[in-house]
Amino acid sequence: NAGVTQTPKFRILKIGQSMTLQCAQDMNHNYMYWYRQDPGMGLKLIYYSVGAGITDKGEVPNGYNVSRSTTEDFPLRLELAAPSQTSVYFCASVRGLNTEAFFGQGTRLTVV
Amino acid sequence: GQQVMQIPQYQHVQEGEDFTTYCNSSTTLSNIQWYKQRPGGHPVFLIQLVKSGEVKKQKRLTFQFGEAKKNSSLHITATQTTDVGTYFCAGPRSGGSNYKLTFGKGTLLTVNP
Repeated sequence: NAGVTQTPKFRILKIGQSMTLQCAQDMNHNYMYWYRQDPGMGLKLIYYSVGAGITDKGEVPNGYNVSRSTTEDFPLRLELAAPSQTSVYFCASVRGLNTEAFFGQGTRLTVV
Repeated sequence: GQQVMQIPQYQHVQEGEDFTTYCNSSTTLSNIQWYKQRPGGHPVFLIQLVKSGEVKKQKRLTFQFGEAKKNSSLHITATQTTDVGTYFCAGPRSGGSNYKLTFGKGTLLTVNP
């Protein structure tokens, strides 16, 4: 089992560019989450999904979009990158209610 | 919505000293989870507390869940340099088919050898 895999690990974007952060899990988990973590700050929930075809907004969804066409994949889309989106992005998955979350290694994104 | 607040935000200790971080919620929690994030790493699950007043130990780490299930604490006895990192609490919130996992801001622990 690879667990939760995020790609890329690092990326530099120019303002206005778009990109997709990939997240895949091979544990057949229903629940998946995207967080961003700014330097010295906590984890802020961007979007989450409780199963294929179902997504919902978290605390800071503006500027992002997600889709969940399969159980395994939960990509995060940035359409018009802004410097405020410079952050480390973590994807996580959970098997079921009240079970532990497994995190990917993170994607460090810089928007210049 | 539900929020979990963590204090302190930072804590610097000498190796061998004890350390405690606190997590407080304005609403009753069904359970609380604790995670550790090493510098440059990703959060890793430590433990989950479910019952009112529950206390669990992992070697030098002691986790408590308050009687009202609104607060929790993590205590580390005799810190070591390997304890360095950010400790997060998370208060899962479920309702219907939703399962929202939100985290406190974390406590960054640094240890002076």
